[in-house]
Amino acid sequence: GAGVSQSPSNKVTEKGKDVELRCDPISGHTALYWYRQSLGQGLEFLIYFQGNSAPDKSGLPSDRFSAERTGGSVSTLTIQRTQQEDSAVYLCASSTLAEPTYEQYFGPGTRLTVT
Amino acid sequence: AQKVTQAQTEISVVEKEDVTLDCVYETRDTTYYLFWYKQPPSGELVFLIRRNSFDEQNEISGRYSWNFQKSTSSFNFTITASQVVDSAVYFCALSEAIAGGTSYGKLTFGQGTILTVHP
Repeated sequence: GAGVSQSPSNKVTEKGKDVELRCDPISGHTALYWYRQSLGQGLEFLIYFQGNSAPDKSGLPSDRFSAERTGGSVSTLTIQRTQQEDSAVYLCASSTLAEPTYEQYFGPGTRLTVT
Repeated sequence: AQKVTQAQTEISVVEKEDVTLDCVYETRDTTYYLFWYKQPPSGELVFLIRRNSFDEQNEISGRYSWNFQKSTSSFNFTITASQVVDSAVYFCALSEAIAGGTSYGKLTFGQGTILTVHP
């Protein structure tokens, strides 16, 4: 497809279970970002990938959160031992980091509910 | 540390009214980028505009216009003759540049302003 896609669109899980969220960026976009949108915290940066490397993981809230990117394309955000405070919409964005546009294209998000 | 403040949590207007969404930012960098994104009820964030810190010219795009004032650290967004389809959450965001003037684009968002346009 032409845009950023994310799967699943909705995920309900029980507290303590692990979840994996997937992001397919726009083809050719070398930069990939994960953000989290929650009622209490607004939109927060989680992690940034340039190619397969993650030079900035400063937004990951705890060591239960991890992410990887393979082939400079698909990225997976994994949350282990989910907690109720992990409930949020997880957004992925990609960018070419090319001037002059330099915009991030966002996916539709994955709504995670931890019960 | 960088910070973006959107003091207006919610705004409600009647169609055809003009509306201005305020955005104030804090950064120690001299080179940075400012953005506005729209999040309609469908949930997907839609890019509206990017402005770099060297360019203080106001910009107009159709019914949208942006007023960037470095002296007051503000980047306000005005919708002229609002329409029902403008109803959405609008986010202002900031990205700082790393050494050399480039930035990898990590965005710091404001809390968002919910705009409701009534027919």
